[in-house]
Amino acid sequence: DAKTTQPPSMDCAEGRAANLPCNHSTISGNEYVYWYRQIHSQGPQYIIHGLKNNETNEMASLIITEDRKSSTLILPHATLRDTAVYYCIVRIYNQGGKLIFGQGTELSVKP
Amino acid sequence: SAVISQKPSRDICQRGTSLTIQCQVDSQVTMMFWYRQQPGQSLTLIATANQGSEATYESGFVIDKFPISRPNLTFSTLTVSNMSPEDSSIYLCSGVISGRADEQFFGPGTRLTVL
Repeated sequence: DAKTTQPPSMDCAEGRAANLPCNHSTISGNEYVYWYRQIHSQGPQYIIHGLKNNETNEMASLIITEDRKSSTLILPHATLRDTAVYYCIVRIYNQGGKLIFGQGTELSVKP
Repeated sequence: SAVISQKPSRDICQRGTSLTIQCQVDSQVTMMFWYRQQPGQSLTLIATANQGSEATYESGFVIDKFPISRPNLTFSTLTVSNMSPEDSSIYLCSGVISGRADEQFFGPGTRLTVL
């Protein structure tokens, strides 16, 4: 079973920041938080991952709470092309740990 | 990044027949997985494809229904056997690239419709 909880859907205005929350209260010490997204009719795409520190890359920022029980994915300037289902997943790093998907959040970016 | 391709991209099949889906990766892969995505649903892991040995299946999936081969580090096949309309789904191949354990790549999927 998936170990994360996400809201089923969210809306965001184009050009604004999209903040997608995720709860993972049972995360283990050796599990990382991963975010993927799936644009309609495509395979999932990796976005970002982190253990306990905040992370940023060219696509997004990941904010993980100090107790690691929740996190937020931030898309700083959402565009219409960011409309997708976003999946938050906990995974054991460096063992090729398999990704177990939950239901994700369907983000709609509106003009 | 790695490129994962799947063949066929889509197919329409008759009940009771079987379909083999091919997955090719342009880099060596340490781990390889097969997922199913039923209409309107999230991805469900079917199995881990092990090179040179039997695949490791998740609960609810069996080898007789979904035989998997992985003859080398860059190629795998998934067969959907004795199909029924309930097998209509998108089937996705996924891999963890050697030296890139932090990221799991996905193929574009094979859209299967069973009549």
